[in-house]
Amino acid sequence: DAKTTQPNSMESNEEEPVHLPCNHSTISGTDYIHWYRQLPSQGPEYVIHGLTSNVNNRMASLAIAEDRKSSTLILHRATLRDAAVYYCILNYGGSQGNLIFGKGTKLSVKP
Amino acid sequence: SAVISQKPSRDICQRGTSLTIQCQVDSQVTMMFWYRQQPGQSLTLIATANQGSEATYESGFVIDKFPISRPNLTFSTLTVSNLSPEDSSIYLCSVTERDEQYFGPGTRLTVT
Repeated sequence: DAKTTQPNSMESNEEEPVHLPCNHSTISGTDYIHWYRQLPSQGPEYVIHGLTSNVNNRMASLAIAEDRKSSTLILHRATLRDAAVYYCILNYGGSQGNLIFGKGTKLSVKP
Repeated sequence: SAVISQKPSRDICQRGTSLTIQCQVDSQVTMMFWYRQQPGQSLTLIATANQGSEATYESGFVIDKFPISRPNLTFSTLTVSNLSPEDSSIYLCSVTERDEQYFGPGTRLTVT
């Protein structure tokens, strides 16, 4: 699986937008970009995923660079509940299952 | 969305013993996955369990240490054998449904 690079940690203020970057310069044409997050003392939960086009759902938006070598997860208005470790993961073919987790970005949200 | 439960939620075990973790899903799934999360670390995939066949283990994990059963499409067990303090971790099971992967709440194992 291709590797991803994320900052170790980021800080945000409550009710402000958050942009979480992910670099994946060795991504292949069939790799989907997935984002998961892990709240404290919980298992990871799905956030969003995409292939080439930007994606939106009720939780977040995913902006994918035109060359697909990087992507950004956007939380439009951070809440205290969004404090978590966010993982950017590449998965071949889009079918999930044996996801390979990196270290992720620990997001802190200040009131 | 799939709902996953695990038993026990936590346990403290003595060195040399074994712990069997149960994972129950509220729907039938083809593949189930077992992960380990060591203290302060990210998740590491242990194995993939298909119903009716032997589990497939990732590099660094062996069947003698982590035997897995998958008797039906909604249930799996992971046994952590011959426990040592290095096995102290959270163990999570996971399934896929459509394009999302769902995780159980985890089993926190402490080995003394």
